[in-house]
Amino acid sequence: GQQLNQSPQSMFIQEGEDVSMNCTSSSIFNTWLWYKQDPGEGPVLLIALYKAGELTSNGRLTAQFGITRKDSFLNISASIPSDVGIYFCASGSGYALNFGKGTSLLVTP
Amino acid sequence: KAGVTQTPRYLIKTRGQQVTLSCSPISGHRSVSWYQQTPGQGLQFLFEYFSETQRNKGNFPGRFSGRQFSNSRSEMNVSTLELGDSALYLCASSSGGEGYYEQYFGPGTRLTVT
Repeated sequence: GQQLNQSPQSMFIQEGEDVSMNCTSSSIFNTWLWYKQDPGEGPVLLIALYKAGELTSNGRLTAQFGITRKDSFLNISASIPSDVGIYFCASGSGYALNFGKGTSLLVTP
Repeated sequence: KAGVTQTPRYLIKTRGQQVTLSCSPISGHRSVSWYQQTPGQGLQFLFEYFSETQRNKGNFPGRFSGRQFSNSRSEMNVSTLELGDSALYLCASSSGGEGYYEQYFGPGTRLTVT
């Protein structure tokens, strides 16, 4: 599948800080999604984006579908310990999801 | 609504054996997809089924196969297991509508090949 470049690879932040991560591709996509995975579990869908320029929130999470349709951003505000996990971006194409390598988030009290 | 269920959760097999994994989608969902997750390659798409038909297949050898039943439940099979097949196998379900990509994942089956 097409390569998604997700950055940063890992983040160590303090509780209460805001977090930003992004995902880029050389290809254009019509759908971007963000998932979170906890150890030993399957990924959990956080936000789905279907329109270029779209900005969608889910509680403290906000994601944007880039206007070029080649990138997407996820922001987490006022991080808390339970935000710890691996965050994946994914693009949809041909009934399949293509995933980035993930951003590992560690939140220290 | 109950979520996606996968059985078994853990499995240990010997190289050369075959294995069958099972997935029950969210009630009402007609699309089931399978993914392989490894530390090195990340999450990779295996195949997707909708109404018992395979609509897409990832870049995996023919040893990996799947099927979907009329009640939308799905199974995947891996024959002639290799050490490199050790991975977390994830099933995801979706309504399957055209252009609709919101997939909901099960907890996965952890396969270890020795």
